[in-house]
Amino acid sequence: DVKVTQSSRYLVKRTGEKVFLECVQDMDHENMFWYRQDPGLGLRLIYFSYDVKMKEKGDIPEGYSVSREKKERFSLILESASTNQTSMYLCASSLAGGSGLAGNTIYFGEGSWLTVV
Amino acid sequence: GQNIDQPTEMTATEGAIVQINCTYQTSGFNGLFWYQQHAGEAPTFLSYNVLDGLEEKGRFSSFLSRSKGYSYLLLKELQMKDSASYLCAVRDQANNLFFGTGTRLTVIP
Repeated sequence: DVKVTQSSRYLVKRTGEKVFLECVQDMDHENMFWYRQDPGLGLRLIYFSYDVKMKEKGDIPEGYSVSREKKERFSLILESASTNQTSMYLCASSLAGGSGLAGNTIYFGEGSWLTVV
Repeated sequence: GQNIDQPTEMTATEGAIVQINCTYQTSGFNGLFWYQQHAGEAPTFLSYNVLDGLEEKGRFSSFLSRSKGYSYLLLKELQMKDSASYLCAVRDQANNLFFGTGTRLTVIP
């Protein structure tokens, strides 16, 4: 079974703090993603990575950065947390390629609930 | 751009059948996924369609019509544990995955 692990399940941070959300996957997947999920807005893609040291902006990258130093690990960084970044953050991974194979299914971690006060 | 529409909420009775619709407009198409998400948990994969037709997996089936930009998820013999949000997601040819806002299904006794 694919396992995507997010290190922190619940965090409370102060405005202006630097926040790290860590994600590790154990299936040797090339692709990794960070989403945030908010009521009424669904899942929105923040950043994704197709390979080590590669990163691509998603739909809402402002206020975030990412790091992919190793294939299995993809970190989301909030340089200076703000209250509008209070949300649930979901990490996901998948195999490479866009051939349409079901094996390219995205698998999600359990989510990290971040509250910025 | 991408546009994925699904109803916000649905209610159905235990033991019944419910159909959750999803319409989409995307620049290129490379597959449609359905995910189930219980409150406070991560989405879990339910089904995948890339060709027209019906894919059946136990009590759950998913249908796709690419020409109409339309899919539905069919849940049979509903159980209370099926109360969850159901997310429709479409992948474009660049392998980007776009999610709808989800349909919250409530199963009542």
